[in-house]
Formats: sequence, structure tokens, C-alpha cells
Amino acid sequence: AQKITQTQPGMFVQEKEAVTLDCTYDTSDPSYGLFWYKQPSSGEMIFLIYQGSYDQQNATEGRYSLNFQKARKSANLVISASQLGDSAMYFCAMRGSGAGSYQLTFGKGTKLSVIP
Amino acid sequence: ETGVTQTPRHLVMGMTNKKSLKCEQHLGHNAMYWYKQSAKKPLELMFVYSLEERVENNSVPSRFSPECPNSSHLFLHLHTLQPEDSALYLCASSQAVTSLREYFGAGTRLSVL
Repeated sequence: AQKITQTQPGMFVQEKEAVTLDCTYDTSDPSYGLFWYKQPSSGEMIFLIYQGSYDQQNATEGRYSLNFQKARKSANLVISASQLGDSAMYFCAMRGSGAGSYQLTFGKGTKLSVIP
Repeated sequence: ETGVTQTPRHLVMGMTNKKSLKCEQHLGHNAMYWYKQSAKKPLELMFVYSLEERVENNSVPSRFSPECPNSSHLFLHLHTLQPEDSALYLCASSQAVTSLREYFGAGTRLSVL
């Protein structure tokens, strides 16, 4: 079984500052993928960034980077230079390599509020 | 615009009603998914279709009935729902069930009275 834990129900960040959203995971699969999604108030889930468990380098996509620490089973999302439009729910998710590996397991999410 | 369109965006229904949610993807994908997002709970995968065949059914009550007539369309038929079924229902698609990235629609906000 896979499990994603996001311990921060809500976070505040000042505009133009950086913020880290925490995510820890648990899986017995030898390989897996980790994802971050953004969900604005409109409801749509927007893919942000992906990290494979065997990737040597941390993933980066524009202002988003994933701080992947395999030994600690953590995959924190770092947003640099926060913008007002970053205010949304953020979900960490994973997909394993075992049977039924097409199932994305999501955490409960973190609500990020960017303050002007 | 992700290429995945869900209708209606909002739906209010009584417990005795029958309604259907529709999802359409314009991405040429072969896999489609239904998720349920309840308040303060993680997203729950409900159904997975690959090439119009159901490959996953996560112990979903029979009052939810999916239908995938072709690889571009996915329906969720609802009947005799309960108030606890009120949630956001998200549809997603991916190139294949093993693809890393899923593309989500904007969801249907369902309220059961």
C-alpha cells in the first residue's frame, strides 16, 4: 500500500518570497513516481512537477523545484518568488511500479495563501 | 484548458433522482479515470478505463455506474445517492494507464439533498 502525508493544512507566504510545502510518502515498491498538483478554486487539477525515484537530480520546472530526499522518503515542493496566483491547494501524489500501478495516491493537500 | 472537459460544472440532485456526469477528452488518450474529492479527505480513485475497458473499480457502491462508450468519453451515472456522496468529482485522462502524467478536468461539484 502507498501513503502520502502532507502535514501542513495551510500555509501563508509573502509575495516574492519562497515557500516549501512538505510531503512524505511510504511505499514498498522498488520504483515509483512522485507528483505535485495545484488546484485553484476553479477545481481543476494542474500538474506542476514530477520526480522519478531513480532520477539522480531533483526535478525543476520554472519556479517549482522538488526537494527529493529518498532516504527520508520526502518530496517537498519549493516555490520560489511566490505570486498572488500561486494561492491554491497543493497536492502531493505518487504512483508505484507494482500491480495496479496506474493508481495515483494523493495526500490531503496544503492550502497556500500568498499575501501581497 | 487541459483538453479534458467535464459537464455539468455544478449539479444538485435529490436522493431519488438519476443523473449523469460527462467527461470528454480531446487529447487522443487511451485511459480515463474518475476521482472523488470529499472535503478534508484525499482524492479517491473510483474507476479506471483503458481502451474502453474497466480495469479498476475501487470498491465503489453500485449507485455509481461508469460507462466508457469510446476512448474520448466517460460517463458516471448516478442513482439513489446519499448526502455523503456530495463531493467534487474529477475526471482525468492519460496516454495510457501506465503513463506518468494525468490531465484533469475542472470537476463537477455535486450536492445531494
